[in-house]
Order: sequence, then C-alpha cells, then structure tokens
Amino acid sequence: NAGVTQTPKFQVLKTGQSMTLQCAQDMNHEYMSWYRQDPGMGLRLIHYSVGAGITDQGEVPNGYNVSRSTTEDFPLRLLSAAPSQTSVYFCASSYSRQGASTEAFFGQGTRLTVV
Amino acid sequence: AQKVTQAQTEISVVEKEDVTLDCVYETRDTTYYLFWYKQPPSGELVFLIRRNSFDEQNEISGRYSWNFQKSTSSFNFTITASQVVDSAVYFCALSRISGAGSYQLTFGKGTKLSVIP
Repeated sequence: NAGVTQTPKFQVLKTGQSMTLQCAQDMNHEYMSWYRQDPGMGLRLIHYSVGAGITDQGEVPNGYNVSRSTTEDFPLRLLSAAPSQTSVYFCASSYSRQGASTEAFFGQGTRLTVV
Repeated sequence: AQKVTQAQTEISVVEKEDVTLDCVYETRDTTYYLFWYKQPPSGELVFLIRRNSFDEQNEISGRYSWNFQKSTSSFNFTITASQVVDSAVYFCALSRISGAGSYQLTFGKGTKLSVIP
C-alpha cells in the first residue's frame, strides 16, 4: 500500500514564486490535513478537509490555499512564496470509526526552502 | 483552546538506560485522545499510540510504556533499556474525540532523544 504520498520531497523556490505541494492517499480516508513543522515549534495545522469539496483553515493558514476535488487528493498551494514559508510540510489522512477519527497517517514530508 | 507541553527539549541517555519523556496537556473537553509519534532522523512521522481519555490504564508495548494520569493532565512515555535506534524526536499530541476537532491534532514541540552507545 502506498499510504499517503507527497511530492516533491525537496523544493527550492524564489521569493514570490508560486507552487503546489501534492498529496495523495489511496486509503479512501475522509479526512486530510496539512501541517508545517518548524524547528522548536512542533507541527502546526495549516488547512484541513473533511471530505471532497469541503475545506477549512487551521492554525496557520495565511499564504496557503487548498482544494479537495477528490477524496484522494489534497494539494497545498503557495501563491507567492515568502522566506517565512521555509519549512517541512506534512500531509496527513485519517478516517472516521464509530464517530471518531483514527490516528493520522502521515506522508514522508516535503522540505521547502524559499530564498 | 488545546495545548500540549513537552518541557524537555533534548535528552541524552546512555544505551540501556531507562528514559521518560514528559507530556502535559490542557483542554476544556472532558473526553479526548492523546497520541505519541516518533520522528527518526529520516524525517517521517511514526504513530506509536493513541489513548482515549476514558481509559486510564497504563499500557506497555515491548520496551515502551505509557502512563496516563488524568488528574495531573499528563501522558508520559517511558522507554526501558534504551537503544540507539530509539534516537529520534518524539511528539505528544491531543485531539478531540469526535466532531470537527477529532482529526485536528495539537502537537507539543517535541523532545529530541539521543541514545549514546
């Protein structure tokens, strides 16, 4: 099983450039999320989705857009990259069991550097 | 608002020593989930355990054990007879039991464990 797949694994952007971080899962999970990990900060939630067509903001949404057109895919878009967005990005998915979410399954991460 | 505090930023132990990683949480919810994740040097996040706040029994899995104390809002993680492969950053996390918050994890800042051979 592929699980949660993120591409690319590494990316260097110039300030002002745009790009999309891809996330796909093959487990038919309803819930998908994006987190960023910064040194000494743990992981912080950027955006999440409870199903196709439904997205919402997390703790640190500024500068990022998301969409969920299918159950499998949840891309994260940086419209105009800034050095403050240099981070490691993790996509996660989970499903509902008896009304509660299971543990989150994480992708391998995307290390983004904005210069 | 939910909050998870891992006061130990870095810990170093000699191989075969026991080590306990502390986790203290804050939540207004009466029911919730607690998690531990491991992040080895390769960078991926590995799920270790999920504990329902209803269940205060301690859990043991091989060399790993978890002590959940609702009265002190703590969910500590002990590694017995540590090994070099245990070297990683360990994250404690919290989520709601159900509804909109059940799939949104609030993470602590992590504890970096170094096991010295």
